[in-house]
Amino acid sequence: GAVVSQHPSWVICKSGTSVKIECRSLDFQATTMFWYRQFPKQSLMLMATSNEGSKATYEQGVEKDKFLINHASLTLSTLTVTSAHPEDSSFYICSASDRGQLAYNSPLHFGNGTRLTVT
Amino acid sequence: AQKITQTQPGMFVQEKEAVTLDCTYDTSDPSYGLFWYKQPSSGEMIFLIYQGSYDQQNATEGRYSLNFQKARKSANLVISASQLGDSAMYFCAMREGNTNAGKSTFGDGTTLTVKP
Repeated sequence: GAVVSQHPSWVICKSGTSVKIECRSLDFQATTMFWYRQFPKQSLMLMATSNEGSKATYEQGVEKDKFLINHASLTLSTLTVTSAHPEDSSFYICSASDRGQLAYNSPLHFGNGTRLTVT
Repeated sequence: AQKITQTQPGMFVQEKEAVTLDCTYDTSDPSYGLFWYKQPSSGEMIFLIYQGSYDQQNATEGRYSLNFQKARKSANLVISASQLGDSAMYFCAMREGNTNAGKSTFGDGTTLTVKP
């Protein structure tokens, strides 16, 4: 159980274009999604937390107009990188939780991540 | 102050030997969970083991065990009988019960290389 699917697994786009990344919970209702960014050989950096039906909460320093998050249903959240630039190239990974999985004794369930390369 | 500290950027271990990956944490919340995740070069995050703040015994999961020393605020991961497939980056993480709204805090990670 608790399978999270993330798509695409990799994407190459030209500078100035927008890219959408999808995160789906396949066998549970994800009331909360966390979006992370990771640079090579570094830790996961939390970008934002989204709750179904409400606006995402962004971490300090993350541009909300740059990284648009939509969590319109209990099984799908999307991250759109708008007007992408080479410095946005990174590994993006989501995790999804239902209400019970937000407890401190519950591990995160991650998607497999998306490698974004902006040329 | 960092909430999760992993002081070993890289570690090497000979195949079939045991290795300990260090993790210290900092919290004033009495309820918290400590987790270890494995991230192979392909990128997916794999949950390995969990230790709760109220647990009296150290957690074990197959070849993984967690050396939990609450007073020292450490939660080291021990991998026994290392295999080549254990080569990966390992992250220690914490979730707090009454703060941070379900978020997890990650350490900087340790890259483990298993030598044949």
